[in-house]
Amino acid sequence: GAGVSQSPSNKVTEKGKDVELRCDPISGHTALYWYRQSLGQGLEFLIYFQGNSAPDKSGLPSDRFSAERTGGSVSTLTIQRTQQEDSAVYLCASSLRGQGVRSPLHFGNGTRLTVT
Amino acid sequence: AQKITQTQPGMFVQEKEAVTLDCTYDTSDQSYGLFWYKQPSSGEMIFLIYQGSYDEQNATEGRYSLNFQKARKSANLVISASQLGDSAMYFCAMRENSGNTPLVFGKGTRLSVIA
Repeated sequence: GAGVSQSPSNKVTEKGKDVELRCDPISGHTALYWYRQSLGQGLEFLIYFQGNSAPDKSGLPSDRFSAERTGGSVSTLTIQRTQQEDSAVYLCASSLRGQGVRSPLHFGNGTRLTVT
Repeated sequence: AQKITQTQPGMFVQEKEAVTLDCTYDTSDQSYGLFWYKQPSSGEMIFLIYQGSYDEQNATEGRYSLNFQKARKSANLVISASQLGDSAMYFCAMRENSGNTPLVFGKGTRLSVIA
């Protein structure tokens, strides 16, 4: 079936503008995760959802970042008043409930955000 | 303190040889899972192999195997018979507790396979 879908694949925006990044998880996957990867770096956890609720928002770097998930499916990550340090690849992943600790994350291809 | 440590920023291996990528982890939980992902230059994250803390045998998936040493808290990835297409970043990750909590990733190792 279809994998995790992210849009847009690339986004160039001016400093100070707001951006919305979208993630459509694998059908039936109840958990959804957002990570950020700066150039040549590892993955930085941002937030995750179980269904529509976010048990852990500890990774959001500032109050300019927010995320929501509706209908237990699509999620949107919003960055307000973008800064140049927000430039990174934003990766979304989903996983299937019921496999417990062994459930792998399935990643989308990411959104490359460039703030000029 | 870092949860996942990958001490090798870069590794080189000759085609057809085996290579070991190191990963050590830090947790006080008894139940946890360890994962390895491959990220080629295209950027996609590809799940390779999983090892559970209670698994008695080392995990294997094709040419990938995991050298799991629980007492040392290490979970090294072994790639046998390296191929040019194995050139990529490799990330070790851990999930603590149970359920669908997030994975914590290491900083990765860049593997280059030489013909």
